[in-house]
Amino acid sequence: QSALTQPRSVSGSPAQSVTISCTGTSSDVGGYSYVSWYQHRPGKAPKLIIYDVSERPSGLPDRFSGSKSGNTASLTISGLQADDEADYYCCSYAGNHTVIFGGGTKLTVL
Amino acid sequence: QVQLQESGPGLVKPSETLSLTCTVSGDSITSNKWWSWVRQPPGEGLEWIGDIFHTGSASFNPSLKSRVSISLDKSKNQFSLNLRSVTAADTAVYYCAFRVDRYYYSSGTYYPFDCWGQGNLVTVSS
Repeated sequence: QSALTQPRSVSGSPAQSVTISCTGTSSDVGGYSYVSWYQHRPGKAPKLIIYDVSERPSGLPDRFSGSKSGNTASLTISGLQADDEADYYCCSYAGNHTVIFGGGTKLTVL
Repeated sequence: QVQLQESGPGLVKPSETLSLTCTVSGDSITSNKWWSWVRQPPGEGLEWIGDIFHTGSASFNPSLKSRVSISLDKSKNQFSLNLRSVTAADTAVYYCAFRVDRYYYSSGTYYPFDCWGQGNLVTVSS
């Protein structure tokens, strides 16, 4: 069971939009609508930002959005803010009551 | 607001058992939540370890299943992780987390990790 594939890093300027991809297979991302995304700042607890592909937890700004096409899920952050700088991880149900994470993407706000 | 706090030794010797406890505050461990462990080796990504429900139903990462157990202490509102026969590859920050049982499925693995603890660094070294 290999980790889901994410770009190692992405960057964008304040107010711009960035998209982070998460590529798996038909046995995980492509096979189920149970993809979630987490924001992780160093030394802090990871934070859920998207679940069930495109659902946002209560209170999360709509600048964060999720989608999926085939075996690839995507997280889009619009109106980038300095506070968005963090590592982002995707996660998917992978069948047989197992879960798999992506390798993580470092977002830099220029 | 539910809060989670990991506790346990920061250093474990190779071949020994790594034991961590997560104390839950703000909710009962018998509520409709799956209680989980996730780890992050230094410089690497996140890795799911396993989940348990208050009924005792549990799921584990197949790569760790032979060495892992997760248990509940309802009297203390805590859940614990035991990882046996550790090696340096088990050095990681260990997080406890929970998943809300939204749809009453038989496994928590369908759900997102709604809330996480701050993490506990465990180093395996002699």
